[in-house]
Amino acid sequence: EVQLVESGGGLVQPGGSLRLSCAASGFTFSSHWMHWVRQAPGKGLVWVSSINADGSNTYYADSVKGRFTISRDSAENTVYLQVNSLRAEDTAVYYCVLIGYDTSSFYWGQGTLVTVSS
Amino acid sequence: DVVMTQSPLSLPVTPGEPASISCRSSQSLLRSNGYTSLDWYLQKPGQSPQLLIYLGSNRASGVPDRFSGSGSGTDFTLKISRVEAEDVGVYYCMQTVQTPYTFGQGTKLEIK
Repeated sequence: EVQLVESGGGLVQPGGSLRLSCAASGFTFSSHWMHWVRQAPGKGLVWVSSINADGSNTYYADSVKGRFTISRDSAENTVYLQVNSLRAEDTAVYYCVLIGYDTSSFYWGQGTLVTVSS
Repeated sequence: DVVMTQSPLSLPVTPGEPASISCRSSQSLLRSNGYTSLDWYLQKPGQSPQLLIYLGSNRASGVPDRFSGSGSGTDFTLKISRVEAEDVGVYYCMQTVQTPYTFGQGTKLEIK
């Protein structure tokens, strides 16, 4: 059974940092791109970042470029999102997402809430 | 960026009746490999989104056959042949033809 378990969210002051983690299991982690999508309270879904299967290529939304960093550890089957210089508008539930067209694998984690407030 | 536009944004439906959601993209979602990079998700209240349809018209595993996806190029449709109470939630289309991946605004389906 595929599982994506996010952690690392919390309350942080503007300008602060967090490291979000997504522990993956139940599939061949090293073969799949991984993604982060966020959802502000009461709002829609917004793609944040993606990383390819071997970690050699990363992609970011303009709104987070230069502040967020996605990475992955295949030994730990974990994808990370380092979020720095946080702003109030970064307040959202952050979802870890697997989109695997080749293997028909599509899963979302339960999300981790990041609240940026003083 | 590819802009995704959904309509309607609110969809009240009587149980047993059909429902249809439109999604239009500002650019073609057709890849060079022939696949169309358009997925449909349903986010039920209090839950993470779940995939309904991928690559335009492929029903995800476990999704009831009352859900179907169609369309090509820039115009796509999600159809529910007979709405059930469990179908309430917000429906999103999402394009993955290029980054930044983008979502439609969401269509909230409610039961009359």
